[in-house]
This record gives sequence, structure tokens and C-alpha cells, in this order.
Amino acid sequence: ILNVEQSPQSLHVQEGDSTNFTCSFPSSNFYALHWYRWETAKSPEALFVMTLNGDEKKKGRISATLNTKEGYSYLYIKGSQPEDSATYLCAQIGSYIPTFGRGTSLIVHP
Amino acid sequence: DAGITQSPRHKVTETGTPVTLRCHQTENHRYMYWYRQDPGHGLRLIHYSYGVKDTDKGEVSDGYSVSRSKTEDFLLTLESATSSQTSVYFCAISEPRGNTEAFFGQGTRLTVV
Repeated sequence: ILNVEQSPQSLHVQEGDSTNFTCSFPSSNFYALHWYRWETAKSPEALFVMTLNGDEKKKGRISATLNTKEGYSYLYIKGSQPEDSATYLCAQIGSYIPTFGRGTSLIVHP
Repeated sequence: DAGITQSPRHKVTETGTPVTLRCHQTENHRYMYWYRQDPGHGLRLIHYSYGVKDTDKGEVSDGYSVSRSKTEDFLLTLESATSSQTSVYFCAISEPRGNTEAFFGQGTRLTVV
């Protein structure tokens, strides 16, 4: 069982603020790192799939980086909007099985 | 949207009764998973399947069993439900490649009274 940690557990920001979260994971037996966005009463949906050390992915105002050697990934949101409010999950893929962190709950206040 | 459906979506059952949750996919993905979601715990893996009749335990498998008799269906059974199994259960599917994401069902809210 992989130990995937996310921080902070929750975050409150004002509309327009930029923010970032951290996902840390064991650097051994690394296969891939996924980020998911999970809105209340919905299912998690993938944001990014990252496999290579140094990977940087971007989708609109959201971006992510990956460091497999030291075992961490950052998710950045630029200019947060109320619709960005959600739980953001990361999952490390080892031997094909996703192991999820506990998530970071983001609330963006208008 | 990925073709993955869970049934039932909501269920209330009594302690000690058996309960079966169904996950059905139309994507022909090889891997299927059952997770439970509890406050403060994120998603925890109960069981997974890597092919027809091929299953294995996750980190919270006690009290649960699974079966996969065909590619499209993955059943989760609580042989004798307990209050600690009150949770939201999510099914997910993926291909056996880490460079593709997992797709989730809508979730099943189970309450054991």
C-alpha cells in the first residue's frame, strides 16, 4: 500500500487569489501520478496524468508539476474562481492500482 | 462520459443483512475497482479486479467480497452489513496503463441502521 499524502487538508481563498497544493508520494516503484477534481455530489474527474520526472501540465488556469526523484507534485490554480471550489485528489499509480491521497478541499469565496 | 453505472444509487439496510452493489461498464476496461469514501479518509481501496475472475484485496477489504464473472460487471457484497460500513461507495475502471486516467461511477450511498 502506497502512502500518498496531500497538504493542506483544506484551504479557503478569496476570488482572484492564486493557490497551490502538494501531493507527496514514495519515489520508489513510481509509475504515474494523477490529479482529479471532485465536486460535491459528483464523481472525481481526471485533470492531469503525469508520468515523467519534470512533467508540467496545464489546463486553463490550472497547472501541475511532477518531481519523481523527490516524490512530490504541485497543483497550481491561478486566479481562483468560485467554480474552482472542489476537492482535489492526487493518486499514485504503482503496479497499475491508483492509491489516493485524502485530498485538499478548496473553497473559493466571492 | 465513460460508460460506467452503479446500482443502486442509494440503499438503507439493517445490520446483519447481506447487500450487493453492482458496477457495470460498457468501456471494456480491464481493471475495475471498488473504493469507499469516508470523511477525512478520501478514497480507500476495498477490492479490485484485473480480469474476469481475477480479483485482489485492497487496504480495507475486511467484511467485503467481490466477484467478476464477466468483463462488464463487478459486484461488491457485504455478507453481513455493519454500521461501520455506512459509506459512499465508488466504482472505477481503468486500462492497465498508468498513463490513462481512471473513470468513476456516480457512487452508491449505503446506510446501515
